[in-house]
Amino acid sequence: DGGITQSPKYLFRKEGQNVTLSCEQNLNHDAMYWYRQDPGQGLRLIYYSQIVNDFQKGDIAEGYSVSREKKESFPLTVTSAQKNPTAFYLCALTGTGGELFFGEGSRLTVL
Amino acid sequence: GQNIDQPTEMTATEGAIVQINCTYQTSGFNGLFWYQQHAGEAPTFLSYNVLDGLEEKGRFSSFLSRSKGYSYLLLKELQMKDSASYLCAVRGDRGSTLGRLYFGRGTQLTVWP
Repeated sequence: DGGITQSPKYLFRKEGQNVTLSCEQNLNHDAMYWYRQDPGQGLRLIYYSQIVNDFQKGDIAEGYSVSREKKESFPLTVTSAQKNPTAFYLCALTGTGGELFFGEGSRLTVL
Repeated sequence: GQNIDQPTEMTATEGAIVQINCTYQTSGFNGLFWYQQHAGEAPTFLSYNVLDGLEEKGRFSSFLSRSKGYSYLLLKELQMKDSASYLCAVRGDRGSTLGRLYFGRGTQLTVWP
């Protein structure tokens, strides 16, 4: 089954803990993106990677880290430095027309 | 900065036509996108405009006026399943990565029977 796979779908974290969200793709795309969505807010870009072993900060990178060791994988770590981590996290690729298409998302709740 | 405005909520009845407006002020313009997002799900792509005019795709159409910084999404023959949030997004500078989009806050559309 092709596409983008995000896991876990739901995640709970205690304050002060780091947590890593997985994003895997088997479409052989070079560019991958992480967006965050808060209720009543537009999606905001956290990090993106256009090629293996390279990534760039988006608009709200503070408190997050990423890696791109393999083309298929672009994990996002939400660190304890992120003050408001509760959100819906979306991993995305670009389609043939330049549109974004998203994985199913990971919903993180801090207890 | 990037500013994208759309109404917060709209309601309509089944079978009707609804127009969702989006205005934008961005540093550079390289395309405007519309997405549909059902509650608890990821957004799905609906339409793309980069030149002025109307793009039609089944019951959905999208219009762009670059000189006015304005777009609308037109939904015809509304169905209950069209109840969702509709997101307007703009790609800014031509030199930026393709997937770097700036999103509005979304318009929550409720379709009543």
